Amino acid sequence: SAVISQKPSRDICQRGTSLTIQCQVDSQVTMMFWYRQQPGQSLTLIATANQGSEATYESGFVIDKFPISRPNLTFSTLTVSNMSPEDSSIYLCSVHGTLQNTEAFFGQGTRLTVV
Amino acid sequence: AQKITQTQPGMFVQEKEAVTLDCTYDTSDPSYGLFWYKQPSSGEMIFLIYQGSYDQQNATEGRYSLNFQKARKSANLVISASQLGDSAMYFCAMSAGSSNTGKLIFGQGTTLQVKP
Repeated sequence: SAVISQKPSRDICQRGTSLTIQCQVDSQVTMMFWYRQQPGQSLTLIATANQGSEATYESGFVIDKFPISRPNLTFSTLTVSNMSPEDSSIYLCSVHGTLQNTEAFFGQGTRLTVV
Repeated sequence: AQKITQTQPGMFVQEKEAVTLDCTYDTSDPSYGLFWYKQPSSGEMIFLIYQGSYDQQNATEGRYSLNFQKARKSANLVISASQLGDSAMYFCAMSAGSSNTGKLIFGQGTTLQVKP
């Protein structure tokens, strides 16, 4: 199984500011995925982070709001920009395991509150 | 379009009894995978079990088993001998398509409470 370290685990931020979330994996992976979980809701995919190319965003999510970096095969960051209270959510990164699609693991999540 | 449906917002079970959490899915792709996750109040997502669309047998992992009925497009999670620590939110998820490499679609989740 892949071990994913995500930080910060939680933060309280002022509206209008930005927060960068980091995700470190203990093995090299082709793709990393960023999800958002709004309060009381399910998980929604924000984007797929590919090493060496720009991230692929899902409908409703844009690069200006959620810029993503993927400098190597074990690390990625997601920035939540110009935050508003509606951005208060849990943000999670995910990778698939060595058995391709049969495993998908998540970081511990970042619980973000915007005030 | 691909879709995952969990129709039970909340479930109760007595400690040491078995419980079934329902999940139905919809996809036109012949190749897909079905996952179950546990999310305790801490927020982390814990991978429980996986079932592939071509797997002939139902998946099992310890106290967790997946009741896979392909014709009915259902993938129910069965937890045997429930424990107090099983109280959490449970999500069913699907990956689909031959080009898929881990992108998941999630259901709405079911909150399970285990009573002592």
